[in-house]
Amino acid sequence: NAGVMQNPRHLVRRRGQEARLRCSPMKGHSHVYWYRQLPEEGLKFMVYLQKENIIDESGMPKERFSAEFPKEGPSILRIQQVVRGDSAAYFCASSPSPSRYEQYFGPGTRLTVT
Amino acid sequence: DQQVKQNSPSLSVQEGRISILNCDYTNSMFDYFLWYKKYPAEGPTFLISISSIKDKNEDGRFTVFLNKSAKHLSLHIVPSQPGDSAVYFCAASSVDYKLSFGAGTTVTVRA
Repeated sequence: NAGVMQNPRHLVRRRGQEARLRCSPMKGHSHVYWYRQLPEEGLKFMVYLQKENIIDESGMPKERFSAEFPKEGPSILRIQQVVRGDSAAYFCASSPSPSRYEQYFGPGTRLTVT
Repeated sequence: DQQVKQNSPSLSVQEGRISILNCDYTNSMFDYFLWYKKYPAEGPTFLISISSIKDKNEDGRFTVFLNKSAKHLSLHIVPSQPGDSAVYFCAASSVDYKLSFGAGTTVTVRA
């Protein structure tokens, strides 16, 4: 049973470019959560999605960031016009139902903005 | 605003001895606490949890203690093994699915 998959594992972008981070949840899981870990800090909640729906995006920066979880395919976290402050590790987690008890995390995508 | 704090960035312990990791929180609405373990190049994996109605939860070598009045929890690993070398994250939540994490403590178990 494959775990949560994230790709790419490492992504380098120049300032002003777009970054697309992908997350494939565990089989049978239809709930996805994105977290961001800035240097020297803990993981911070960004957004919670179900298939085709954004349920809670209270942790997302108001501009340049968007997320989707289409009916088919992975969840995508999109960052437009990246800035150096976006450099971080981005983790996604999935669960079979809305849950704080059993979120399974992927290995993360490390984004570096040069 | 860091609601969950792990003030020790690193801990070194000899194999066979006890590892004690500490975590403090500020949000009195938190009612469920978790510890995650993370190896390099992998995602965090769930280790052990505790509800606010308890003050202790034990699972094999791992025990978590919760002191609500002090807003403090700790993770004890006894005995420590080389495979326990990892980063440990404390996390907390209040009723919903959002987890708030500390910055992590890197544990190194020396042979």
